[in-house]
Amino acid sequence: QSALTQPASVSGSPGQSITISCTGTSSDVGGYNYVSWYQQHPGKAPKLMIYEVSNRPSGVSNRFSGSKSGNTASLTISGLQAEDEADYYCSSYTSSSTLIFGGGTKLTVL
Amino acid sequence: QLQLQESGPGLVKPSETLSLTCTVSGASISGSSYYWGWIRQPPGKGLEWIGSIYYSGNTYYTPSLKSRVTISVDTSKNQISLKLSSLTAADTAVYYCARGYSSGWYAPMGYWGHGTLVTVSS
Repeated sequence: QSALTQPASVSGSPGQSITISCTGTSSDVGGYNYVSWYQQHPGKAPKLMIYEVSNRPSGVSNRFSGSKSGNTASLTISGLQAEDEADYYCSSYTSSSTLIFGGGTKLTVL
Repeated sequence: QLQLQESGPGLVKPSETLSLTCTVSGASISGSSYYWGWIRQPPGKGLEWIGSIYYSGNTYYTPSLKSRVTISVDTSKNQISLKLSSLTAADTAVYYCARGYSSGWYAPMGYWGHGTLVTVSS
């Protein structure tokens, strides 16, 4: 099964908002509300930022929000800060009872 | 405070079997409603889910590795183990163990170890 499709890179200036897309199929993203998002800084383990499409774990800033429309999920970061510069990965449950990740998106804060 | 620590050889030869252990502290594996998983990341590349296990031994694996991978649990030692056979250079990666954020095997991984780099080379 193919990885979910994410843009390779996105960028934004401090204070702006950016959105990262994650496109799958009706067998994964579109079929279930089990989409999650991870943030990964260089040399560090991933950190869960969003689960079940739009829920934030405790301790995660409310500047991070998630949504889904059809087969595409999105992560929006508002009020961009320098510390948000990292790689972001989406993940989804699939109809084959597996978990798949997106290819990752590098966020650059200009 | 939950902590996960991966351990194992940093260098393994092609065709051999990789054995990694994840030692859990701050919580008991047995009796919890969480799944525990292994995820890997080749250098400079993205994340790949390998598989997940419940304390009872119930497992789920990614199809592409299913024939070569075994994930097991040792509740007496509070450890999760990963074995991956017939190694090739493509298996070179940082290997992470993690715990589900909520119950259900499909739950996202909310707690991660620091990861351990495994290089497959002769």
